[in-house]
Amino acid sequence: AQKITQTQPGMFVQEKEAVTLDCTYDTSDPSYGLFWYKQPSSGEMIFLIYQGSYDQQNATEGRYSLNFQKARKSANLVISASQLGDSAMYFCAMREGTQGGSEKLVFGKGTKLTVNP
Amino acid sequence: SAVISQKPSRDICQRGTSLTIQCQVDSQVTMMFWYRQQPGQSLTLIATANQGSEATYESGFVIDKFPISRPNLTFSTLTVSNMSPEDSSIYLCSVDEAGWNYGYTFGSGTRLTVV
Repeated sequence: AQKITQTQPGMFVQEKEAVTLDCTYDTSDPSYGLFWYKQPSSGEMIFLIYQGSYDQQNATEGRYSLNFQKARKSANLVISASQLGDSAMYFCAMREGTQGGSEKLVFGKGTKLTVNP
Repeated sequence: SAVISQKPSRDICQRGTSLTIQCQVDSQVTMMFWYRQQPGQSLTLIATANQGSEATYESGFVIDKFPISRPNLTFSTLTVSNMSPEDSSIYLCSVDEAGWNYGYTFGSGTRLTVV
């Protein structure tokens, strides 16, 4: 079974509008971390936001926020006030276990976001 | 956060040859990770490299095909051996040095085309 599921291969949004990118995850480990990365066409991976499984509040970083619904095992990324430069691939990823244990990230298939002027 | 210099940024190679990719980090890190991203696909972990020990390979990846060196805490190389067109991918190195609650830092990637 996939550990990270991103069901939206592509999304379109108008400039200045908000957009939500979906991510669901599967783990039996009570301790885990969820990450969102942006990959422009240049190929680099840019870290956007992190949510820990024990965090009580949803994470926010500037225009990025994470809608974390633990019971539903979802960690959707919300981008507010979209900009043309937000056009890119977006990957959701998970790290399981505690620090010093399993360190690797497992990635979803990604969502290609296109921001229209 | 750490800064990673990854080289080369891109290369076109003949099948049957090998390419070595280098990653240099500007700080000491315990673990380095190597990922492969095939065209239009997500990232898949190849192996985890700790300094002074053999790399740990993920299922489907073997040392003979992807030998890794980790001579010190700031440097690692990944070699793609006996290349075929199926090896055409972006290869990325990554480190986790900022602490548990922060994202991994990635190198800028090596875009490999095998002809």
